[in-house]
Amino acid sequence: EAGVVQSPRYKIIEKKQPVAFWCNPISGHNTLYWYRQNLGQGPELLIRYENEEAVDDSQLPKDRFSAERLKGVDSTLKIQPAELGDSAVYLCASGNTEAFFGQGTRLTVV
Amino acid sequence: GEDVEQSLFLSVREGDSSVINCTYTDSSSTYLYWYKQEPGAGLQLLTYIFSNMDMKQDQRLTVLLNKKDKHLSLRIADTQTGDSAIYFCAESDSGGYQKVTFGTGTKLQVIP
Repeated sequence: EAGVVQSPRYKIIEKKQPVAFWCNPISGHNTLYWYRQNLGQGPELLIRYENEEAVDDSQLPKDRFSAERLKGVDSTLKIQPAELGDSAVYLCASGNTEAFFGQGTRLTVV
Repeated sequence: GEDVEQSLFLSVREGDSSVINCTYTDSSSTYLYWYKQEPGAGLQLLTYIFSNMDMKQDQRLTVLLNKKDKHLSLRIADTQTGDSAIYFCAESDSGGYQKVTFGTGTKLQVIP
């Protein structure tokens, strides 16, 4: 069975540029999460979807971050414009009773 | 809000047992998890325990839960160099949705 697939694996952009991350969850998983993991820290939840509905986006910086999960399957997370402090690993996870993680996208903003 | 705390670092000799500890604050936690993260990799679910259990064993892994003290531990028997990684404790609430809150991670170093 395929796991959670994220792309790209690495991204380097200049500050003020936009960037987007893509996630394909495990088939049959209704819950999808986007986490941000700063260096040396645990993942922090940005947004959680149940099917296509965002049920918890309280930690998402809505002035620059947006996410969508059309049709309740794949999801994209966008940052516009990116800031230096956005450099981190962005993890997507899916699950029903537990969360299975993708390998993440390492974003570097220069 | 929920808080999950772990010690930052643990060093053990190969062949010894490792015990990684975690405390959490949310008394309504339903599931408690242990994840492993190797350098440059995503998080791998190792094991989980329901809050109505006090112990779970899975091969070399033993999870102990003290719900009264909100304390969770992961014991790795016969620790190997391949066990070197960061271990994250995590909990989810019982609100009908599985919101998972992670600790800061414990870096396990296994000395050959």
